[in-house]
Amino acid sequence: QLQLQQSGPGLLKPSQTLSLTCAISGDSISNNIAVWNWIRQSPSRGLEWLGRTYYRSKWSHDYALSVKSRIIISPDTSKNQFSLQLYSVTPEDTALYFCVRGDDVDTATLDYWGQGTLVTVSS
Amino acid sequence: SYVLTQPPSVSVAPGQTAGITCGGNNIGGKSVHWYQQRPGQAPVLVIYYNSDRPSGIPERFSGSSSGNTATLTISRVEAGDEADYYCQVWDSSRDHVVFGGGTKLTVL
Repeated sequence: QLQLQQSGPGLLKPSQTLSLTCAISGDSISNNIAVWNWIRQSPSRGLEWLGRTYYRSKWSHDYALSVKSRIIISPDTSKNQFSLQLYSVTPEDTALYFCVRGDDVDTATLDYWGQGTLVTVSS
Repeated sequence: SYVLTQPPSVSVAPGQTAGITCGGNNIGGKSVHWYQQRPGQAPVLVIYYNSDRPSGIPERFSGSSSGNTATLTISRVEAGDEADYYCQVWDSSRDHVVFGGGTKLTVL
């Protein structure tokens, strides 16, 4: 059974960098079918996709335009995990963050979700 | 950008059928996925590729899509179906995942 285990700090100050990690068990981050996403949820913005990474002979990335200038999603094949870094956070980045596996790069079916990490940005 | 529109709320009596709509420009030409989110939990995929059910999802859940509207139908609604439901597509023009705003299903 595939499981996604999230870790990372839940409290940040404005201008800091949000860093979360998602450890994968029951699948390989390097398989040629899966897509690895970060999604967040807040009352004001609902479910908001942030970006994804996937391997198809090489690593590829797609990022949401709303965060494209300050986001990096990185695979770590040695640890079978992937991470999210979001730079220069503001209170508007306060949200519940999920790592999510997708099983189709063209239609973005999201079939396994992590437990979620509440991140609060406050001075 | 591509926009998906859902009604904020739908109410239904137990045993009746609930229909939750998701509107989008030519959504019938895309693959629509639906998620159920109970309070305090992560979303769960209940319908993918418009009408397919993952293993473990009851047959009471079904989906359809045509023209500018996709619909999630829940037959013989139970109290445990009370949750928020989200539709989702891939916007290939911008390489983005797009979610609807969500619909709160209340079982009366």
